[in-house]
Amino acid sequence: SSELTQDPAVSVALGQTVWITCQGDILRTYYASWYQQKPGQAPILVVYGENNRPSGIPDRFSGSRSGNTASLTITGTQAEDEADYYCNSLDSSSDHYVFGTGTKVTVL
Amino acid sequence: QVQLVQSGAEVKKPGASVKVSCKAAGDSFNKYMHWVRQAPGQGLEWMGVVNPRRGRPIYAQKFQGRVTMTRDMSTSTVYMELSSLRYEDTAVYYCARDNDRCGGTCPGLYDYWGQGTLVTVSS
Repeated sequence: SSELTQDPAVSVALGQTVWITCQGDILRTYYASWYQQKPGQAPILVVYGENNRPSGIPDRFSGSRSGNTASLTITGTQAEDEADYYCNSLDSSSDHYVFGTGTKVTVL
Repeated sequence: QVQLVQSGAEVKKPGASVKVSCKAAGDSFNKYMHWVRQAPGQGLEWMGVVNPRRGRPIYAQKFQGRVTMTRDMSTSTVYMELSSLRYEDTAVYYCARDNDRCGGTCPGLYDYWGQGTLVTVSS
């Protein structure tokens, strides 16, 4: 299957750690890239590859992979981290890219 | 400075076509360019990818036969045309630059996005 499944919503207390997962068989071949999207804005890349952050992304964002599951971790979550998060990768059998279903993170 | 600048909002009737442009400034035009859409209140949906220099575009199965992605190297612009529009095509359409920084192990790395183009299908 080329689907990437994410939990629809998670909540986290300010300053705590939240884990966002992305599950799909295509992740056994390639790493996921992770995007943050706030209302009315274009997505931005926050984590890619094994565990890399673009310039300007705080180091509280990190990524990992185990088997068919990729994870985005936000350590010491801030209020400004409240957003939707999407994973993305490639299905090598079709050369089609796939986005995860998205996770809404609420900071309490 | 990399910038992707998209054309403005469009309102179209069902059955019509729409063509959205994405002009790339800076070091972008030798990169793969993707199109992604987002219907109101929904998630991101990958539509296809165009190699600015060569090769045929690759389209998501859902849009096969209705979408055409092209590029104009002389103006550093990529285009996405969607035909036979339906009400459910109402969405924000984004172009996004694919920049492989992992030697091929992390495809789908979109480091720059256009600002988005709202396409409204309404009678």
